[in-house]
Amino acid sequence: LAKTTQPISMDSYEGQEVNITCSHNNIATNDYITWYQQFPSQGPRFIIQGYKTKVTNEVASLFIPADRKSSTLSLPRVSLSDTAVYYCLVGYSGNTPLVFGKGTRLSVIA
Amino acid sequence: DTGVSQDPRHKITKRGQNVTFRCDPISEHNRLYWYRQTLGQGPEFLTYFQNEAQLEKSRLLSDRFSAERPKGSFSTLEIQRTEQGDSAMYLCASSHNSGFSYEQYFGPGTRLTVT
Repeated sequence: LAKTTQPISMDSYEGQEVNITCSHNNIATNDYITWYQQFPSQGPRFIIQGYKTKVTNEVASLFIPADRKSSTLSLPRVSLSDTAVYYCLVGYSGNTPLVFGKGTRLSVIA
Repeated sequence: DTGVSQDPRHKITKRGQNVTFRCDPISEHNRLYWYRQTLGQGPEFLTYFQNEAQLEKSRLLSDRFSAERPKGSFSTLEIQRTEQGDSAMYLCASSHNSGFSYEQYFGPGTRLTVT
């Protein structure tokens, strides 16, 4: 699976939009980009998945440029409850084990 | 609650003892995964099953670790002769056999402390 690089930590104030960028220079043609969220003492939770351009759901948006060597997870108007670790994963099939990096620890401040 | 469940949620054991964890996946999911997570790190893959067949084991899974999924339903992960280095959160996840989704559903985990 393609190696990913993302910031170790980020801070944000409540109500702001947060953008977390992930680099994946070696992404393969068939690879999808997926983001998971993990709260303390809980298992990770799927947030969003995309292949190219833009994907939006009720939780977040995922922006993927044409070369697909990076992606940006956008969280609109964060609240304290969005404080969590966010993982970027790149791979082809949902039926293979996930490979997590260290993720980005987002702290939302009141 | 129809999510993935794990039991127990916490386990404290003395070094050298055996422990067994249980995972109940979402009922219609045929894939079941075990991961281990230590503090400050992302989850690391241990092993996974499709139905009752164990398809892959990580190099992290030493011979002290064994996993089963009888009848393709719940799964157990046993650690024999526990060591302090086994202290971690053990996570179970399940997924449906769909080719283009990376969505795995995780349980709350079992936190193991080896003293």
